[in-house]
Amino acid sequence: NAGVTQTPKFQVLKTGQSMTLQCAQDMNHNSMYWYRQDPGMGLRLIYYSASEGTTDKGEVPNGYNVSRLNKREFSLRLESAAPSQTSVYFCASSGGRETGELFFGEGSRLTVL
Amino acid sequence: EDQVTQSPEALRLQEGESSSLNCSYTVSGLRGLFWYRQDPGKGPEFLFTLYSAGEEKEKERLKATLTKKESFLHITAPKPEDSATYLCAVRRLKYIFGTGTRLKVLA
Repeated sequence: NAGVTQTPKFQVLKTGQSMTLQCAQDMNHNSMYWYRQDPGMGLRLIYYSASEGTTDKGEVPNGYNVSRLNKREFSLRLESAAPSQTSVYFCASSGGRETGELFFGEGSRLTVL
Repeated sequence: EDQVTQSPEALRLQEGESSSLNCSYTVSGLRGLFWYRQDPGKGPEFLFTLYSAGEEKEKERLKATLTKKESFLHITAPKPEDSATYLCAVRRLKYIFGTGTRLKVLA
């Protein structure tokens, strides 16, 4: 079982460049999430998708867009990268409201120069 | 405002030296308190969910407890392989994470 798979694992961008982080889960989960993790800040929610066809903003959505392509896939796009977006990004999924726990991918380390 | 605070930020233990990590929270309508383990360069890995005050859960050397204001993760006779960052999260409508406790267990 692959669980939650994120690509790429590492990426270096220049300021103003765009890129998309891909995430796929094979657990048939309804809900998917994108978090960023920065030293001393904990995990902060960027966007989430409670079910296929819906997306909602989290705590820090500015500068990002998302697409819930189907039930398995949830992508995060940076349209014009900024140095403040240097971070480790985690995709997660959960089975729904009553199941609870989040299942995380391995993370994507992004550096914006 | 919903908030999760973990202490200490970092903890160094000798192998076999038991201790506890704390997670204090302020959230109304709690729908679960979660503990995760995170190894360097990896995503968080689920450990426990607690739903109501008085509840306890155990897994190997780890035991999680919950009161109305805080949760403790007790580590009994830790081993070097228990070294990791331990994250606490609460769920109301969304998940709110603490900043974690970095645990180092020395052989």
